[in-house]
Amino acid sequence: DVKVTQSSTYLVKRTGEKVFLECVQDMDHENMFWYRQDPGLGLRLIYFSYDVKMKEKGDIPEGYSVSREKKERFSLILESASTNQTSMYLCASSLPGVRTEAFFGQGTRLTVV
Amino acid sequence: TQLLEQSPQFLSIQEGENLTVYCNSSSVFSSLQWYRQEPGEGPVLLVTVVTGGEVKKLKRLTFQFGDARKDSSLHITAAQPGDTGLYLCAGETGANNLFFGTGTRLTVIP
Repeated sequence: DVKVTQSSTYLVKRTGEKVFLECVQDMDHENMFWYRQDPGLGLRLIYFSYDVKMKEKGDIPEGYSVSREKKERFSLILESASTNQTSMYLCASSLPGVRTEAFFGQGTRLTVV
Repeated sequence: TQLLEQSPQFLSIQEGENLTVYCNSSSVFSSLQWYRQEPGEGPVLLVTVVTGGEVKKLKRLTFQFGDARKDSSLHITAAQPGDTGLYLCAGETGANNLFFGTGTRLTVIP
């Protein structure tokens, strides 16, 4: 059974903390993505990576960075968490090319207090 | 940034009723996907439509891609409580470029 696994389902952090969200996939997919999901806004792309050590900014990269040191692992980093980063974060992976299915993790609900 | 508007945003219906969810954009997409997300889980792909005017059926769900490839609809016949979830459309403009819609949260009441 193919899987994308996010390290935490629920997370509470304080303003100003550095936060790491980890994502691992077991499908040998080249592409990996980090989305943020907010009610009424759908999924918004933060960053994506199409290869190890490669990254591309999505629509809302401000306040975030990413790391992809191994093909199966893609990390999202909040350098200094703020309350407006309270949200659901979804990781996904896919094969390269067009019309490919995105496989999602279970999501991490992050609350910044 | 591509904008995909879904309507309605919320929908609450009785079991057995029919419903239609719309996904609209001013942009042209090479393909369009529909996903369903259940509480505590990530979205799961239901279908991909590719050709303008294409209609695909998945049991009680019917998906249509607009002729101009700018819009899509999802029709559910005789809704069941198991259809409850968040429905997301996603338009593709090229390799690795997938833009998600705003979402429709469906609740089917037994």
